[in-house]
Amino acid sequence: GAVVSQHPSRVICKSGTSVKIECRSLDFQATTMFWYRQFPKQSLMLMATSNEGSKATYEQGVEKDKFLINHASLTLSTLTVTSAHPEDSSFYICSASNRGHIRNTEAFFGQGTRLTVV
Amino acid sequence: GENVEQHPSTLSVQEGDSAVIKCTYSDSASNYFPWYKQELGKRPQLIIDIRSNVGEKKDQRIAVTLNKTAKHFSLHITETQPEDSAVYFCAASLSNSGYALNFGKGTSLLVTP
Repeated sequence: GAVVSQHPSRVICKSGTSVKIECRSLDFQATTMFWYRQFPKQSLMLMATSNEGSKATYEQGVEKDKFLINHASLTLSTLTVTSAHPEDSSFYICSASNRGHIRNTEAFFGQGTRLTVV
Repeated sequence: GENVEQHPSTLSVQEGDSAVIKCTYSDSASNYFPWYKQELGKRPQLIIDIRSNVGEKKDQRIAVTLNKTAKHFSLHITETQPEDSAVYFCAASLSNSGYALNFGKGTSLLVTP
């Protein structure tokens, strides 16, 4: 298997501040990680693809200047929500696949981060 | 881009009955179709997946079927138990996207004793 760890699990911030969320692959290297957002009782929506050593690829409608993604190493991707507003309150979750594993398509998810902007 | 439709949005069954959830996808290039179970406030857990070169796959009480021509795939849970109650998501992805997942809207399954 593979373990993906996400931190923090919960965060409350004031409107206008920035929040950084970390996603780590603990026992494998991940050249690609994915960031999803899930509003209450809704599905997971792909926000962006995080690529190690290069710029992230954002899905249509996702502001790259608001959701900054950095993938500086093979085991860590970070998502920074800048100038957060209440409408950014959501469950943010990352995933990664272990390309070196025989089941290299299976996506392993982090625990998710519940962001509340007040 | 890929569009995944999932039905029904809610499903209630009696313990021991079967549950079927259906999904369709739009991109014929999609070649990997996982199903996830998500309990409230927790991360999605993979329960079964199927690749486009296979028509059916079974794992104990859970099975998935894929019809590439019609672009639809289904999840079958037999002998349901109360602990099967959760939200189930289907997804479609393709290898040249690095297997980024496009999820259906989810099905809230309730198994009553």
